[in-house]
Amino acid sequence: AQSVAQPEDQVNVAEGNPLTVKCTYSVSGNPYLFWYVQYPNRGLQFLLKYITGDNLVKGSYGFEAEFNKSQTSFHLKKPSALVSDSALYFCAVRDGNAGNNRKLIWGLGTSLAVNP
Amino acid sequence: ETGVTQSPTHLIKTRGQQVTLRCSSQSGHNTVSWYQQALGQGPQFIFQYYREEENGRGNFPPRFSGLQFPNYSSELNVNALELDDSALYLCASSIAGGLNNSPLHFGNGTRLTVT
Repeated sequence: AQSVAQPEDQVNVAEGNPLTVKCTYSVSGNPYLFWYVQYPNRGLQFLLKYITGDNLVKGSYGFEAEFNKSQTSFHLKKPSALVSDSALYFCAVRDGNAGNNRKLIWGLGTSLAVNP
Repeated sequence: ETGVTQSPTHLIKTRGQQVTLRCSSQSGHNTVSWYQQALGQGPQFIFQYYREEENGRGNFPPRFSGLQFPNYSSELNVNALELDDSALYLCASSIAGGLNNSPLHFGNGTRLTVT
C-alpha cells in the first residue's frame, strides 16, 4: 500500500538558517513525489516534483528536494529560511506504475515556523 | 490566466441535508480532482474527472458524487450529510488526465460545517 510519512508535526528555524522538512514514502512501483505548501485559509500551492532524472530537484521560492531511493525519502530543503516561508508543508506520492490509479497519497503535513 | 475558483467559500448545513460545491478550473486545464481536508489532516482524494467522466476515486461512499461540464468546471455533491463531513473541500485542476504527473493547481477551498 502507498503511504507517506512526515515525521515532524512542527519545525522551528531561525530566519537565515537552512531548513529541512522531512518526508519518507512507500510505494510498490516507481514513486512520483510532490511538495505543496498551504498558507492559512488558502488552498495548496505546488512547490516541486520528482518524476525521474536528477535526484536534486529545484522548485519555487528557492526550495529544493532530494530524492533518495535507498532511504525512500524526499526531504524538502532551503538554504536560507524567510519568515514568509512559515506555512504548512505537505508531501505527496503517487505510484508511477499504478496505471490508471490517479490517487495521490498525502502526508499529514508539517508546520514550519520561521522566527525572525 | 485565471486560477482555480471555488464557491461558496463557507457553508453551514444540517445533518441529513444535501450540498453542492462548485469549482472553475484554471484556464487550459481539462482535469479536475476533489479533496477533503479535515482539520489537522492532509488532503484525502475523493475523485477526479477528465473529459466529463470520473476516472479515479478514493475511499468515499457513493453519497459523494460529482460532475464535470464541457467547460471543465466541476461540481461536488454530497447527500445525506453527516457531522464528519465537516471539512475544507479543495478542488484542483491540472492538464491531461492521462499519466497525471502534472502539478495540481488548487482553489482556496470551501469550508463546510455540518451541524
